[in-house]
Amino acid sequence: AQRVTQPEKLLSVFKGAPVELKCNYSYSGSPELFWYVQYSRQRLQLLLRHISRESIKGFTADLNKGETSFHLKKPFAQEEDSAMYYCAWGQGGKLIFGQGTELSVKP
Amino acid sequence: GAVVSQHPSWVICKSGTSVKIECRSLDFQATTMFWYRQFPKQSLMLMATSNEGSKATYEQGVEKDKFLINHASLTLSTLTVTSAHPEDSSFYICSASRVRGRLHSGNTIYFGEGSWLTVV
Repeated sequence: AQRVTQPEKLLSVFKGAPVELKCNYSYSGSPELFWYVQYSRQRLQLLLRHISRESIKGFTADLNKGETSFHLKKPFAQEEDSAMYYCAWGQGGKLIFGQGTELSVKP
Repeated sequence: GAVVSQHPSWVICKSGTSVKIECRSLDFQATTMFWYRQFPKQSLMLMATSNEGSKATYEQGVEKDKFLINHASLTLSTLTVTSAHPEDSSFYICSASRVRGRLHSGNTIYFGEGSWLTVV
């Protein structure tokens, strides 16, 4: 079965520090991977998808098939980045989410 | 603006009653919608795939008689929690996939704002 693992439940950094949120996956078939962000009391928002290779709000993520990873990175964290981040594996619109990592950026 | 909308945003019901949550795609047709459940401080768990005009596909461990899904039109899917109990209290979220072109990679997934269910 497809599985998405986010090993860190909470990641706390200071403003301006680099951030890396880890995500590993197991899958059968071609992976379609996403990062979603959920700010407090707001709906889930798409941050990145590996196919588009975009950079949103300074975040990037590279798919590493050898390591089956899709880590999310940002060189300089901002306080407004504080939120829940979910890595997800998708197929046909269906998403399997990781456990989520709460990012806390302190001033 | 929102392209997927859920109603109600929150609902309180008594144990033993049933409650219906609606998920609408506002400006596109969605042959498939998805229902998730999220407990506080936890991740989203896929419950079922709602298929327009046919039966929903439930994930393992999800009681289909408990969580009735109806997808009667291309813009509306409903989730009915039957004979609700306090342990059914949760945040329920739907999503719909907007297809762009023929490639699967062109799909964009939109989430509703979620519905808080509290069973007392």
